[in-house]
Amino acid sequence: RKEVEQDPGPFNVPEGATVAFNCTYSNSASQSFFWYRQDCRKEPKLLMSVYSSGNEDGRFTAQLNRASQYISLLIRDSKLSDSATYLCAVRVEGDMRFGAGTRLTVKP
Amino acid sequence: SAVISQKPSRDICQRGTSLTIQCQVDSQVTMMFWYRQQPGQSLTLIATANQGSEATYESGFVIDKFPISRPNLTFSTLTVSNMSPEDSSIYLCSVPGVNTGELFFGEGSRLTVL
Repeated sequence: RKEVEQDPGPFNVPEGATVAFNCTYSNSASQSFFWYRQDCRKEPKLLMSVYSSGNEDGRFTAQLNRASQYISLLIRDSKLSDSATYLCAVRVEGDMRFGAGTRLTVKP
Repeated sequence: SAVISQKPSRDICQRGTSLTIQCQVDSQVTMMFWYRQQPGQSLTLIATANQGSEATYESGFVIDKFPISRPNLTFSTLTVSNMSPEDSSIYLCSVPGVNTGELFFGEGSRLTVL
């Protein structure tokens, strides 16, 4: 079993749609959690950290469920510019482990 | 976040040759990390570059194949030695943030081995 697993997608949604991604992790000792965005042929860029109580940044909401060992990312009112690959990342004992990413395409 | 510059940004190399990738950070950082991202895959940690000591390699990666230098707190190099087409990948250096353990990445070096 991979340490961090994501549905690879692709998710194809119309503009304005709400889309949600889940990411599961295997190590219960995982300490901190993140969502990254990666555009084609670019480096991953930090989108948001994921806090235990859940957190929101504009149209983006991240949640953590420690009991079930998953994190989620909700994007509301999707924009064309949201098209990218979304990577979840989990820090375990100093090491950062990444999921393979979920590809999102937002269409007009 | 730190500004991280990598070069080369891309290169096409012949089988059996070696390529050194440089990573420069605009601030002093204790740890720097080298990742590989093969086409369609996630990021895989190659090694942690420690200043003043040898790099720490992850399972499946060895110093002879991926020698790393870390001469000071703002600079590191990764060499991909005796390259084969399987080494075609994006190589990324990264440094930790100061808050909750996030990582920031350089722009990546896209390597194609023929």
